[in-house]
Amino acid sequence: EVQLVESGGGLVQPGGSLRLSCAASGSTFSYDWMSWVRQAPGKGLEWVANIKPDGTEKFYVDFVKGRFTIFRDNAKHALYLQMNSLRAEDTAVYYCATSYSSSSQFEHWGQGTLVTVSS
Amino acid sequence: SYDLTQPPSVSVSPGQTATITCSGDELGTRYASWYQQRPGQSPVLVIYQDMKRPSGIPERFSGSNSGNTATLTISGTQATDEADYYCQAWDSSYVFGTGTKVSVL
Repeated sequence: EVQLVESGGGLVQPGGSLRLSCAASGSTFSYDWMSWVRQAPGKGLEWVANIKPDGTEKFYVDFVKGRFTIFRDNAKHALYLQMNSLRAEDTAVYYCATSYSSSSQFEHWGQGTLVTVSS
Repeated sequence: SYDLTQPPSVSVSPGQTATITCSGDELGTRYASWYQQRPGQSPVLVIYQDMKRPSGIPERFSGSNSGNTATLTISGTQATDEADYYCQAWDSSYVFGTGTKVSVL
């Protein structure tokens, strides 16, 4: 059974940076596409970025392009999201999630980590 | 951008059938997935590829997708089904529906 555990969230000032991590257990990590999906307080789900199993392809939603970077370390079974130039509207719970292709459903989700951007 | 619209809320009595719709342009030409999110918890996939159930999801959850509307049906609704439900499709990127709060009264 795949388990995903996010960490790295916290309070950061506008314009600041934060790096989120997602630790994955289970034997399929190196074969899974991995995504970050976020949920602002009281709001719906919003896909942020995903990355190919070998890390060679990455895709982002428009409003984070140039600010966020997704990357992974398959040897460590870890997924990351480097977030720079953070804005108040980036405040959300960030989930990591698995899918078997770049456009297929999200099969497994972590418990999420809260990022709060505020002065 | 591609939008998926859901009713904000659906109320159902225990044991009855809840029907949640998801509307989007030519949605029936894409695969639709559905996620259940109980209060304070992470989303859980309950339907994928329009009508398939992941292992462990009760048979009372079913889905369909045709034309501009995908539908999630919960038959014999239980109190534990009270949650927010989101549809999702792919159109050059992942798109989630607006979400529906299902209340079991």
